[in-house]
Amino acid sequence: GEDVEQSLFLSVREGDSSVINCTYTDSSSTYLYWYKQEPGAGLQLLTYIFSNMDMKQDQRLTVLLNKKDKHLSLRIADTQTGDSAIYFCAEIGRSNDYKLSFGAGTTVTVRA
Amino acid sequence: DVKVTQSSRYLVKRTGEKVFLECVQDMDHENMFWYRQDPGLGLRLIYFSYDVKMKEKGDIPEGYSVSREKKERFSLILESASTNQTSMYLCASSGNRVTTEAFFGQGTRLTVV
Repeated sequence: GEDVEQSLFLSVREGDSSVINCTYTDSSSTYLYWYKQEPGAGLQLLTYIFSNMDMKQDQRLTVLLNKKDKHLSLRIADTQTGDSAIYFCAEIGRSNDYKLSFGAGTTVTVRA
Repeated sequence: DVKVTQSSRYLVKRTGEKVFLECVQDMDHENMFWYRQDPGLGLRLIYFSYDVKMKEKGDIPEGYSVSREKKERFSLILESASTNQTSMYLCASSGNRVTTEAFFGQGTRLTVV
């Protein structure tokens, strides 16, 4: 499948902002997603952005898309202990026959 | 509320056993997927299906097969389990091919001894 890369770990202090970064290679991407996986659970869609947008805000979450550099980021404002989880970047596009391609996941640890 | 239900949370099987992992969704979704999740590798697609009795290979189909006899049910089969198939298995479904959301089951942690 197409490559989606993200850093594996992020540690952040409670109340600070978290920024999780992701890069992808599929130039035909139509949608890009952020999924959250809490311990012992499946994945849950957090937010998504259509490829012709450059920003989307949803309460504490801000998604930034730089289509030229194929770079996606997720910012979580006022990070809470409940935000500790694995965050997966994913994309869907024509070149992969519209199958979801996932990154390896970023484990976010929120410390007091 | 969309539900994707996997039949087991935890399974322990012996090498060489035939293993069935079952997944059922209640939203009349056309598309169903099986992934395995391993630390540092993210989710890798094993098989998927866009319709009943249809199946297509994903990125890592070797050692697996699938069955989709009914729209709501998608089964993953390990014909002869091996220790390198010890993993977390996740089932997902979605309503259309170019979708805004795939819904995931809670996962089955399979250990092959």
